[in-house]
Amino acid sequence: DTEVTQTPKHLVMGMTNKKSLKCEQHMGHRAMYWYKQKAKKPPELMFVYSYEKLSINESVPSRFSPECPNSSLLNLHLHALQPEDSALYLCASSVRDRADEQYFGPGTRLTVT
Amino acid sequence: GENVEQHPSTLSVQEGDSAVIKCTYSDSASNYFPWYKQELGKGPQLIIDIRSNVGEKKDQRIAVTLNKTAKHFSLHITETQPEDSAVYFCAAGGMYSGGGADGLTFGKGTHLIIQP
Repeated sequence: DTEVTQTPKHLVMGMTNKKSLKCEQHMGHRAMYWYKQKAKKPPELMFVYSYEKLSINESVPSRFSPECPNSSLLNLHLHALQPEDSALYLCASSVRDRADEQYFGPGTRLTVT
Repeated sequence: GENVEQHPSTLSVQEGDSAVIKCTYSDSASNYFPWYKQELGKGPQLIIDIRSNVGEKKDQRIAVTLNKTAKHFSLHITETQPEDSAVYFCAAGGMYSGGGADGLTFGKGTHLIIQP
């Protein structure tokens, strides 16, 4: 089973709202990732968590705040977003010792109004 | 940082023919090269990958070749079928300098169209 689940599937939020995206995997993977994908573009790495610790932050604005409460769960907290932040937000996970074999979830389609 | 170039951006082939997508990378430290298939409204699906200690890998109708000296790798799909129509992304990755997990750098994608 290589399933990564993400909720919600779709999210519409105003620029003053606070919302959270959730990602879950039960494969025992110890690395988890957030990517952002704009229409007709490739995924772009945002954050990497390894053993529940943030190991990479690709200079993402502070209005995006990641959290890894445990090894199965990854959240992305959103606050004061801009319309240009509208995109598909993808979560992925990988086994720590084969860190690069990443499995993606279906994504959350975010629209900021 | 790593830079991955992918060609062509669109590829149209007749059903049953072969399709080839090519990528080049810039960072000689990259040692892992996956290919993803993304259908409309879905997340990327890992279809095949290759590591730098291997020159070729095959899985049924799909194969990947790697030339580490030239820093390029290719995806080959034989006997194409309508369900192969999708966007395909190549990517490059490697172990983070601290030994932890690393992210992937993706190519811009190839829209593969299988004509019936």
